[in-house]
Amino acid sequence: DVKVTQSSRYLVKRTGEKVFLECVQDMDHENMFWYRQDPGLGLRLIYFSYDVKMKEKGDIPEGYSVSREKKERFSLILESASTNQTSMYLCATYLSGPGDQPQHFGDGTRLSIL
Amino acid sequence: AQTVTQSQPEMSVQEAETVTLSCTYDTSESNYYLFWYKQPPSRQMILVIRQEAYKQQNATENRFSVNFQKAAKSFSLKISDSQLGDTAMYFCAFIDTGGFKTIFGAGTRLFVKA
Repeated sequence: DVKVTQSSRYLVKRTGEKVFLECVQDMDHENMFWYRQDPGLGLRLIYFSYDVKMKEKGDIPEGYSVSREKKERFSLILESASTNQTSMYLCATYLSGPGDQPQHFGDGTRLSIL
Repeated sequence: AQTVTQSQPEMSVQEAETVTLSCTYDTSESNYYLFWYKQPPSRQMILVIRQEAYKQQNATENRFSVNFQKAAKSFSLKISDSQLGDTAMYFCAFIDTGGFKTIFGAGTRLFVKA
């Protein structure tokens, strides 16, 4: 089974802090994604990466950046955290073709910015 | 723009009964995939069922089946013999065969009552 591990289940940070959310997958998947999940809005794509050092903006990239130095690890960075970034963050991966396999998700990180 | 709409924010069903969750989508593509994902409370999001748009036959996975109406752009999920473990948030999702981005609906929270 594919395992997608997010570094923290719950995280509390202060406004203005630089925040790192880490995601590691163990199945050599090419594609990795960061989503934000908010009630009534579903999942919204922040950034995705289809290869090492490659990244593409999703629908809501403002205030975020990402890093993918190794294939198995995809990091989401909040450059200067703000209260409107309080949310559930989900990391996901899939192998290659978009419909060939489903996305595999991590457990999520519930981030609170005070 | 491609969109996915789930018009039922919350639903409830008695254990052992059948429930149908609605989903409509909008796209100009002819080849795509549709998914239903399940997110149990405080647990990982997992795939429930997957449908390829070029297949006319509706997908089925045990107690879960879909009613895929391509012309109407409708993709509903039927859960038969509902169980307490089916209590979860359910997301309808779409991806076209040429894309990387999965589009998610806002979700339907399903409660199965004993």
